[in-house]
Amino acid sequence: GQQLNQSPQSMFIQEGEDVSMNCTSSSIFNTWLWYKQDPGEGPVLLIALYKAGELTSNGRLTAQFGITRKDSFLNISASIPSDVGIYFCAGPVQGAQKLVFGQGTRLTINP
Amino acid sequence: SAVISQKPSRDICQRGTSLTIQCQVDSQVTMMFWYRQQPGQSLTLIATANQGSEATYESGFVIDKFPISRPNLTFSTLTVSNMSPEDSSIYLCSVEGGRGSTEAFFGQGTRLTVV
Repeated sequence: GQQLNQSPQSMFIQEGEDVSMNCTSSSIFNTWLWYKQDPGEGPVLLIALYKAGELTSNGRLTAQFGITRKDSFLNISASIPSDVGIYFCAGPVQGAQKLVFGQGTRLTINP
Repeated sequence: SAVISQKPSRDICQRGTSLTIQCQVDSQVTMMFWYRQQPGQSLTLIATANQGSEATYESGFVIDKFPISRPNLTFSTLTVSNMSPEDSSIYLCSVEGGRGSTEAFFGQGTRLTVV
C-alpha cells in the first residue's frame, strides 16, 4: 500500500533556529497535509497542499508540494518553544476516502 | 473546521473489561474515522464509520474487538472490547473536511491505559 516516509524522526534544536523536515513516498499523492500534535491533544492541520510545485505559508511555517508529487517538505523559521511537538505528513489513499500518515518528526527545542 | 468532542479524555481500565469512547461533532458529516496511536507511534486507521451502514475495518482490526456505532450524522462510538495491556493507546476520532475535501480534523483523543 501507499506509505509515507518522514525524516528526520526527531530533531533537537536551539530556540530561534530554522527547522526543515520532509516526507517522501514511492507513490504519487494528489494532496499533502501537514499536522502538528501537541502532547495530550489530537493532530491539528497546519497546511494543506493540492498542486504539484505549490508553496504555501502559514505564519512561520512554509510547506511545498514536490514537483514529482512524491514528496513534500515543511519548514519552520525562527523556532519558538511552542513549536515543540510531533509533526506528521499525511496524504489520501488513492481511490479511498482515508488518509495515510508518516511516522512523525518529534521536535524538541532547547531554550 | 468542525469541532469534535471526545469522551472520556483518558481512562485506566482493568484487563478483560471494555471501554466505549464517544465522539460528538458540531455539524453533520458523512464520514467519521477512528484511529489508534500506540505509544510513540504514528496514527493507524482502525475503521471508517458511515451512518446507516456497518463500519469498514482496516486490515488487522475486527468488529468483535472494536465494535463501532454511528447512529446519526453527528455522533459515533468506538468500543475497545476485552482489553489487554497491548490496547493501551490513544484513540482518536476524526471527520472529513467536507465538500469532498481530503482534509481531516481530529478530536483531542482518548488516552487509554489497560492494567
